Amino acid sequence: AQKVTQAQTEISVVEKEDVTLDCVYETRDTTYYLFWYKQPPSGELVFLIRRNSFDEQNEISGRYSWNFQKSTSSFNFTITASQVVDSAVYFCALSLNAGNNRKLIWGLGTSLAVNP
Amino acid sequence: DAGITQSPRHKVTETGTPVTLRCHQTENHRYMYWYRQDPGHGLRLIHYSYGVKDTDKGEVSDGYSVSRSKTEDFLLTLESATSSQTSVYFCAIAGAGGGYNSPLHFGNGTRLTVT
Repeated sequence: AQKVTQAQTEISVVEKEDVTLDCVYETRDTTYYLFWYKQPPSGELVFLIRRNSFDEQNEISGRYSWNFQKSTSSFNFTITASQVVDSAVYFCALSLNAGNNRKLIWGLGTSLAVNP
Repeated sequence: DAGITQSPRHKVTETGTPVTLRCHQTENHRYMYWYRQDPGHGLRLIHYSYGVKDTDKGEVSDGYSVSRSKTEDFLLTLESATSSQTSVYFCAIAGAGGGYNSPLHFGNGTRLTVT
């Protein structure tokens, strides 16, 4: 089975709290890519990060960090010292090679509300 | 930002009428995609294109057709709109190279309401 699960449908935090968004995936492919996207209330979808299956180094970009653990098939996203502007729906996606195209499997998203 | 423009941004139409949504890119990228986004279903692929006149179906292609006569334009047509096609439609292009390692970059979406 090929699947992406974002078990947290909605999360609500108070500004300055740290928050982790979970993403668990399933695939038997050995080579794949994982992505995170942000969809703010304005509606556009914004690419945040890509990770390939052979690179388990954690990534940090400002207040954002990503933890990829192949052993648990997880690619979790942490926001440190959250801000109101972080309020959005966050999507995790798994990209697999499908010949002429890709097979892109999306999670259903986690809606994050950061309250002042 | 990737140069992707969707038009119209909003449309209300009646059941049974044809509707065409347009996606225009300025990146000269090969791969283009149409998705729909619905609560509880996330993003679902309708059709995609891997070059001029080269298109293929996605997972929810029934009731939709596409055309790509130029690299920069990818049109999505609802031949006879139904209420179940009320949705937000996103166009996307694959980043440089277009392989499955490339992130997708999305347009701002078209909100379509079929009454």
